[in-house]
Amino acid sequence: GAGVSQSPSNKVTEKGKDVELRCDPISGHTALYWYRQSLGQGLEFLIYFQGNSAPDKSGLPSDRFSAERTGGSVSTLTIQRTQQEDSAVYLCASSLEAAAHEQFFGPGTRLTVL
Amino acid sequence: SQKIEQNSEALNIQEGKTATLTCNYTNYSPAYLQWYRQDPGRGPVFLLLIRENEKEKRKERLKVTFDTTLKQSLFHITASQPADSATYLCALLGSSNTGKLIFGQGTTLQVKP
Repeated sequence: GAGVSQSPSNKVTEKGKDVELRCDPISGHTALYWYRQSLGQGLEFLIYFQGNSAPDKSGLPSDRFSAERTGGSVSTLTIQRTQQEDSAVYLCASSLEAAAHEQFFGPGTRLTVL
Repeated sequence: SQKIEQNSEALNIQEGKTATLTCNYTNYSPAYLQWYRQDPGRGPVFLLLIRENEKEKRKERLKVTFDTTLKQSLFHITASQPADSATYLCALLGSSNTGKLIFGQGTTLQVKP
């Protein structure tokens, strides 16, 4: 079956522009996560959605970052007024439920801010 | 503060040997621990999950141990193959049941033929 998909695969933008990154989770998965991975680093948690509960936004680095999940499925991560330090690979994952379940990752979106 | 440490130096071993990777954590009482494999340019892929009341878990050539006293997990690959070359990440789940995983920075394994 289809796995987690993300688009675009690569995004190059100029400093100060807004960007939107999209994630399509596996159908039926109630939990969705966004992570950021800088070059040679581990994954940094950004935000987590579980069903209809309020999202856990504790990992968002600044108020320039926001995310929404429409209809319990597709999610969009928005970065406003991008900065060079936002350059990284943004990974989305979904799982059947939260906690104790394996997370299925998408291929990521590589964001480069010039 | 909570901290997860994996050996940042790459591990180079000969084909057929056993690879052992370490994950240490502090100021943390994880209910679960997971190991993922990540290949260059790809997202991580789940390998194994071990719970705090389990000492050891096996899957084919993989074995994970979880010592909550030492605050350490060991990840073993027996009879290693060049195809096992990748970065391996450990991830901890807190007992708060939020589903939020905290990842280590990963250890790169290189298996030479």
